Amino acid sequence: GDSVTQMEGPVTLSEEAFLTINCTYTATGYPSLFWYVQYPGEGLQLLLKATKADDKGSNKGFEATYRKETTSFHLEKGSVQVSDSAVYFCALSLAAAGNKLTFGGGTRVLVKP
Amino acid sequence: DGGITQSPKYLFRKEGQNVTLSCEQNLNHDAMYWYRQDPGQGLRLIYYSQIVNDFQKGDIAEGYSVSREKKESFPLTVTSAQKNPTAFYLCASSQQGTSTEAFFGQGTRLTVV
Repeated sequence: GDSVTQMEGPVTLSEEAFLTINCTYTATGYPSLFWYVQYPGEGLQLLLKATKADDKGSNKGFEATYRKETTSFHLEKGSVQVSDSAVYFCALSLAAAGNKLTFGGGTRVLVKP
Repeated sequence: DGGITQSPKYLFRKEGQNVTLSCEQNLNHDAMYWYRQDPGQGLRLIYYSQIVNDFQKGDIAEGYSVSREKKESFPLTVTSAQKNPTAFYLCASSQQGTSTEAFFGQGTRLTVV
C-alpha cells in the first residue's frame, strides 16, 4: 500500500540553524505531496505542496522539492526561529484513492533561543 | 470566515458510553475525512466521504460510525466497541479533483475514563 516515512524526532536546533526533515514515500500511482505543520493542541495547517516531479513548494521560508527518481520530498529551512517549533508531517494523496491523505509519523522540531 | 469547526474541543466520557463528535464545514467541499492521532504518532484515517449519503471505511474503522446526511456535516460516533477510544480526533475536508489539499479543524480531544 501507499506509505510515507519521515525521520523521527525530536529534532532540537538553535535559532538561525539550518533545518532538514527527510521524507520518502511509496505509492501505486503519481501522488501529490504535502507538508503540514501542527502547533500544540491544534489541528494541522498546510505548509506547502507539490503536484508533479521537480516542482518546488515553498512557504514562510520552508522549501521542498518533489523528487520522483528518489521518491523523496525533504523539507528545508535555512534559518529557523523559535516560532517554528512544532510537529511537521509529510503526506501524500492520490486522486484515484479519493484524495485521502496518507501521513508519515511526524517529526517534532524544537528551536531554542 | 470559511473553515471547519469541530466541537467540543475537550470531551470526557465514561467507559461503555457512545459519544458523537461534531464536524461542520462551510467551505462547500465535497469530501470530508476523520483522522485519529495518538501521542507521538501520525494520523490514521477512520472514515471518509466523497459525497452526501456515501462514505467509506478507512484504515481503522472498527468501533466507529459516521453519517453524511448534509454536505456541511460529517459527525463521528465513537462506540463502546472501540477498545481504546482516548485520542485526539481531527476532521478535514477537501474539494474534489486532483492535487487538492485538505483543510483541518482544531480537533477534539476525547478522554474515556
